[in-house]
Amino acid sequence: GAGVSQTPSNKVTEKGKYVELRCDPISGHTALYWYRQSLGQGPEFLIYFQGTGAADDSGLPNDRFFAVRPEGSVSTLKIQRTERGDSAVYLCASSSTGGMGYTFGSGTRLTVV
Amino acid sequence: AQSVTQPDIHITVSEGASLELRCNYSYGATPYLFWYVQSPGQGLQLLLKYFSGDTLVQGIKGFEAEFKRSQSSFNLRKPSVHWSDAAEYFCAVGAPYSGGGADGLTFGKGTHLIIQP
Repeated sequence: GAGVSQTPSNKVTEKGKYVELRCDPISGHTALYWYRQSLGQGPEFLIYFQGTGAADDSGLPNDRFFAVRPEGSVSTLKIQRTERGDSAVYLCASSSTGGMGYTFGSGTRLTVV
Repeated sequence: AQSVTQPDIHITVSEGASLELRCNYSYGATPYLFWYVQSPGQGLQLLLKYFSGDTLVQGIKGFEAEFKRSQSSFNLRKPSVHWSDAAEYFCAVGAPYSGGGADGLTFGKGTHLIIQP
């Protein structure tokens, strides 16, 4: 597509529930990144994919967070047993080569109530 | 570990005046440096980036930034701001790796720019 697409744009879920956030990168971009942005903060790196594999998942806060990219294009960020502290905007970005100024999506605003 | 400091949380500038947003980074070698802008409800848009070479970098929307190794700074400037420049500005640093790109970026907390008429 023309840009990085993230769905849904907004998600409200109850504490303890499971959520999936989807990212559709720019066609042909091999690198894909997930970030989390809390209110009043800068984006915080979560995980980086090069192709299908997670090249760096050091930013995932705990084992409730997991991300996949099975075919090297669309990626899904999965959060189990959501907590109120998980409320944030989750941003996805993609790049044709690792990090050379990647393109961000508009994000998914997750609210855990 | 790398880090980014944006010392100004808010900056107010009159329309037509010049602008400088400060960014200081901590990294053991020469990092990759970026400035992004974020308007309310929008994603991050890349303004400019520095990888190597000329330390004065030109970006979009009339912005420029200067890399100063001795000061570990990468300040963003614009000679004359417009009301549409009101937004949140983020400085970011990335670690180059042998593959030639940066992986995860470390962002500052941002500077909120307010434009006075």
